Amino acid sequence: GAVVSQHPSRVICKSGTSVKIECRSLDFQATTMFWYRQFPKQSLMLMATSNEGSKATYEQGVEKDKFLINHASLTLSTLTVTSAHPEDSSFYICSARDWGGQGGFGSGTRLTVV
Amino acid sequence: QQPVQSPQAVILREGEDAVINCSSSKALYSVHWYRQKHGEAPVFLMILLKGGEQKGHDKISASFNEKKQQSSLYLTASQLSYSGTYFCGTEDSGGSNYKLTFGKGTLLTVNP
Repeated sequence: GAVVSQHPSRVICKSGTSVKIECRSLDFQATTMFWYRQFPKQSLMLMATSNEGSKATYEQGVEKDKFLINHASLTLSTLTVTSAHPEDSSFYICSARDWGGQGGFGSGTRLTVV
Repeated sequence: QQPVQSPQAVILREGEDAVINCSSSKALYSVHWYRQKHGEAPVFLMILLKGGEQKGHDKISASFNEKKQQSSLYLTASQLSYSGTYFCGTEDSGGSNYKLTFGKGTLLTVNP
């Protein structure tokens, strides 16, 4: 149980374009989803927390207008990187949990902005 | 505040044991352990909740000392597949939003 699916696994986009990353809970209801970013050889840093049906809560220093998060259902959250620039190139990972605290991580998305 | 992991790196021979520690300056509600192989997403190992529990599966176990605000991950009779970076993620006792703060990681290398 607690399977989290994340797509795409890799994406290359041109500078200035937007990219959408999906995070789905396959066998549980994800009341809360989390988005993390991991730069090379660094740890995971929480970007934002989203509760189903509510606006996401962003961590300090994360631009909410640049990283749009939507959590419209109990099984899907999306992260859209708008007007991507090379410095946004990173490994983005989602995780999800249900009310009971069970959850898991997505397989990650490696974003390269050229 | 980011938990402190120690050691930063450890090299083992197959079959040897290792301990990875995770310490926080804040009171903790839970500690999560993950292993990440190069180029892949972290893989969940286990969660320990306050109350001083101990958990384990196969030859990987962990303990959580709430009073000391620290957790330790024990790898016994290490296998080549144990190689990777181990992260602990901590949840503050005052938090109710499953907000994890990850340590910088411990790079474990198991050699034949």
